[in-house]
Amino acid sequence: QSALTQPPSASGSPGQSVTISCTGTSSDVGGYNYVSWYQQHPGKAPKLMIYEVSKRPSGVPDRFSGSKSGNTASLTVSGLQAEDEADYYCGSYAGSNTLGVFGGGTKLTVL
Amino acid sequence: QVQLVESGGGLVKPGGSLRLSCAASGFTFSDYYMSWIRQAPGKGLEWVSYISSSSSYTNYADSVKGRFTISRDDAKNSLYLQMNSLRAEDTAVYYCARRQMGATPNYWGQGTLVTVSS
Repeated sequence: QSALTQPPSASGSPGQSVTISCTGTSSDVGGYNYVSWYQQHPGKAPKLMIYEVSKRPSGVPDRFSGSKSGNTASLTVSGLQAEDEADYYCGSYAGSNTLGVFGGGTKLTVL
Repeated sequence: QVQLVESGGGLVKPGGSLRLSCAASGFTFSDYYMSWIRQAPGKGLEWVSYISSSSSYTNYADSVKGRFTISRDDAKNSLYLQMNSLRAEDTAVYYCARRQMGATPNYWGQGTLVTVSS
């Protein structure tokens, strides 16, 4: 499977909203409601922020939201805070007997 | 709380072998699919392998198929990755992760660094 496509960078000022896109195909993002998003700070392990397109695990602030339209999923971070500065990766299910696929990652900078 | 702790990483020469371990706690290990995901220095995430609960099914990335073997010991709440014929391109931080429905790793370990270099 090919990696999902994410913009390499995104930025916003504190308090603003920023949206990160994740584009796949009908065989992954568009075919299933199993898109997830991960936050990774430097030197740390990734942390699950969104699963099944728009669900938040317990403890994840509601400033983080997810959506999907066709083959493109999106992560929106509202009310940006300094601690949101990190790398963000999307992931998708790609069918039974497949590993799954990740995006290349987006570096979010809080200006 | 769920905890995953990897060990076994280190420096190995090309062609060498290494066995990674992941000790799990805080959940019923035998009930869950488990996986290995790696991240090369400065690069993105890459699925390496996963194993089903009861070890009945495994899957591997094409890049490691035939060289890596995933296994688990439910009595010891442990996951393993035997890595043989290592190459420079296998250099990465290897994460152990619990895999939930939809190929979603919902809990991750802190990672263990594998460096393949002469």
